[in-house]
Amino acid sequence: NAGVTQTPKFRVLKTGQSMTLLCAQDMNHEYMYWYRQDPGMGLRLIHYSVGEGTTAKGEVPDGYNVSRLKKQNFLLGLESAAPSQTSVYFCASERGHTYNEQFFGPGTRLTVL
Amino acid sequence: GENVEQHPSTLSVQEGDSAVIKCTYSDSASNYFPWYKQELGKRPQLIIDIRSNVGEKKDQRIAVTLNKTAKHFSLHITETQPEDSAVYFCALNRDDKIIFGKGTRLHILP
Repeated sequence: NAGVTQTPKFRVLKTGQSMTLLCAQDMNHEYMYWYRQDPGMGLRLIHYSVGEGTTAKGEVPDGYNVSRLKKQNFLLGLESAAPSQTSVYFCASERGHTYNEQFFGPGTRLTVL
Repeated sequence: GENVEQHPSTLSVQEGDSAVIKCTYSDSASNYFPWYKQELGKRPQLIIDIRSNVGEKKDQRIAVTLNKTAKHFSLHITETQPEDSAVYFCALNRDDKIIFGKGTRLHILP
């Protein structure tokens, strides 16, 4: 099993450009999450999904959109990137229904110039 | 909303000594308290978790204690080793989400 994978691993954008980050999991997990990690700020939840076709806002959703069309994939979109979105983005998945271990992807390092 | 406060933000201990990291919270509805370890450049990984029906849980050199009345929980690492150097995050559940503390950077000194 590959676990949780993320593409791309690195990306540099110019202000105003758009991009989509892809998260995939092969563990048949119900719940999936997108976090951003900034120095001294821990892991902040952007959006999450408790099942195929569902999404919900987390702590810092502004400037991001998500979609979960297939159970195994969770996409994070930036429509008009801003320098404040420079961060490391982690995707995670969880079996769901009762609280369990979250399995994280390797992260995507995004720089917005 | 629910916040989880984590202290200290940085901790240095001599190899072989113990390390303690503490987290406090405010919402009494939280009942799941995991701890994650993140090594430099790596992804966070669960090292131990505790649910509200127990007060303590151990796994070899690590242990977690929970005081629901006082609303705090702590991570204890005994006989620290160089490989324990990492950032540690406490977390708790709120609704369908897991909320993380801001992390503690643990340095193990030779």
